[in-house]
Amino acid sequence: SQKIEQNSEALNIQEGKTATLTCNYTNYSPAYLQWYRQDPGRGPVFLLLIRENEKEKRKERLKVTFDTTLKQSLFHITASQPADSATYLCALDWMDSSYKLIFGSGTRLLVRP
Amino acid sequence: EAGVTQFPSHSVIEKGQTVTLRCDPISGHDNLYWYRRVMGKEIKFLLHFVKESKQDESGMPNNRFLAERTGGTYSTLKVQPAELEDSGVYFCASSRTVLSSYNEQFFGPGTRLTVL
Repeated sequence: SQKIEQNSEALNIQEGKTATLTCNYTNYSPAYLQWYRQDPGRGPVFLLLIRENEKEKRKERLKVTFDTTLKQSLFHITASQPADSATYLCALDWMDSSYKLIFGSGTRLLVRP
Repeated sequence: EAGVTQFPSHSVIEKGQTVTLRCDPISGHDNLYWYRRVMGKEIKFLLHFVKESKQDESGMPNNRFLAERTGGTYSTLKVQPAELEDSGVYFCASSRTVLSSYNEQFFGPGTRLTVL
């Protein structure tokens, strides 16, 4: 079955640095990969989607890369701020008729002031 | 526009009791999804409605779970009888009509269910 792996250890960085989160997947070739942010007690919030034919996608301080050969996506937050502290989830579209999302377990990011 | 809302935010029940969770999607969103996150695990898909029809219920754990979406608006998820392993956070999400495979889903805040 398909499997998505995100670093379960929290990422602790200094404000102003670039945070880089990793998402690896196996046994699947998604056409799309999405990143969500989740704060405690809240539901996931959509951030970015990248298609299989796109190598890189940017939105303000966020950048996502997608390497279908390595089966890996990298999520970058540049000039990180304490407000960026949250759990970041990688999700794949399961391309059947329901387009349900398959989630990784998430990586917690902590940005120190 | 109002986001996805869920009720209740928390529910604590005893094993064997019944609980009903409610989700109100964003107005005009035909697609409604239920997901669940149990302690220490990733968020997992339960089922998908398109309007009032069940499109995919492959993620439903067993027949103790019953989801409905009468009239294609709000949805309920009933657990009867509840077991200890049903504890977790239940998320609802909605999205617009899927014209292509792009499908941004908007999530509610979740209902935290604790079965004692």
